Amino acid sequence: DTEVTQTPKHLVMGMTNKKSLKCEQHMGHRAMYWYKQKAKKPPELMFVYSYEKLSINESVPSRFSPECPNSSLLNLHLHALQPEDSALYLCASSQVGRGPHTEAFFGQGTRLTVV
Amino acid sequence: EDQVTQSPEALRLQEGESSSLNCSYTVSGLRGLFWYRQDPGKGPEFLFTLYSAGEEKEKERLKATLTKKESFLHITAPKPEDSATYLCAVRRGAGGSYIPTFGRGTSLIVHP
Repeated sequence: DTEVTQTPKHLVMGMTNKKSLKCEQHMGHRAMYWYKQKAKKPPELMFVYSYEKLSINESVPSRFSPECPNSSLLNLHLHALQPEDSALYLCASSQVGRGPHTEAFFGQGTRLTVV
Repeated sequence: EDQVTQSPEALRLQEGESSSLNCSYTVSGLRGLFWYRQDPGKGPEFLFTLYSAGEEKEKERLKATLTKKESFLHITAPKPEDSATYLCAVRRGAGGSYIPTFGRGTSLIVHP
């Protein structure tokens, strides 16, 4: 099973709303990632968790707040977003390390629209 | 700085017309080159990992190859369902992180 599950699939939120994106995997992966993808652009890394600890934050604005409650779950809390934050948000997971079999597997994404 | 360049940016083929997509890279200590397929509005789907020059991987009509400077994704006798964006990513090794760096992708359209 190489499935990463993201919910919701679509989300429309106002600029004053608070919402959360959720991601779950049961592959035993200990690295989990959030990416943002705009139309016709490659995925852009936002955060990386390794062994449930935040290891990389790519200078993402504080209106995005990640959380890793356990080794299978990853959340992205959203607050006071701007219309330019509208994008496809992708979760991915992989084994940790630099050896083989550390390819990342992606979820189907959450299409976020900020109005 | 790591660089991943994919070409062409867009490719239109007739069904059955074989072709190749290119991914050239500059990275110190390559620890894996990955190919993904992405359909519109969906997450990238993992296709292949290549680790060393000379390595080849195949899956149905797709074959990926790797040299010290680039990788090719060969598509043999493509079908319309092969239409998608194909993304290449590389991962650094010693001294760097294990995070993949993505190219901008090649948008492939196969006409029936």
